[in-house]
Amino acid sequence: DGGITQSPKYLFRKEGQNVTLSCEQNLNHDAMYWYRQDPGQGLRLIYYSQIVNDFQKGDIAEGYSVSREKKESFPLTVTSAQKNPTAFYLCATQSNYGYTFGSGTRLTVV
Amino acid sequence: QQQVKQSPQSLIVQKGGIPIINCAYENTAFDYFPWYQQFPGKGPALLIAIRPDVSEKKEGRFTISFNKSAKQFSLHIMDSQPGDSATYFCAAAMEYGNKLVFGAGTILRVKS
Repeated sequence: DGGITQSPKYLFRKEGQNVTLSCEQNLNHDAMYWYRQDPGQGLRLIYYSQIVNDFQKGDIAEGYSVSREKKESFPLTVTSAQKNPTAFYLCATQSNYGYTFGSGTRLTVV
Repeated sequence: QQQVKQSPQSLIVQKGGIPIINCAYENTAFDYFPWYQQFPGKGPALLIAIRPDVSEKKEGRFTISFNKSAKQFSLHIMDSQPGDSATYFCAAAMEYGNKLVFGAGTILRVKS
């Protein structure tokens, strides 16, 4: 969507397992963001990156990790330390025209 | 700390009605206020945005009203259609779009 590809669309995680969500963009945008969406709570910022090889914690970073080795890619790892990972995860990039979001990954703990 | 408070949580209107969604913010340093529209299973899409130097902005059937002194802004949808049924989020940021803070969202249903 809009040059941002999130995969997979659906992901199931077992207890104690780490999983990685992919976010790839071809918009040539420097800034990238990861948000978590839960019903009735809006979007909460997990991590963001303004430039390659640099990233910052957002409001709910505990139990998550990221990397930014390439401008195009900003993967999010949900670790076993995240106690309630079931949610809809959204990746976004930022330009002068605002945010562009991907289509999201729905993660479910089984 | 919820920096942007959005209401109502859900809203049902008849086709042709004018749903109004309200947001209030606390941080006076915010200077960029976008609205996003999200359909089920999709990411949010930018609908319309406003800066605090104007009190109103229209784009098609969508209008943002902004009250800087009250620290409030609202979205009006004129002549609403069933296709407008979606979740709407207000947001705010400092420095034009950096680190958006989102409201909790409003689920809108337009009945035909």
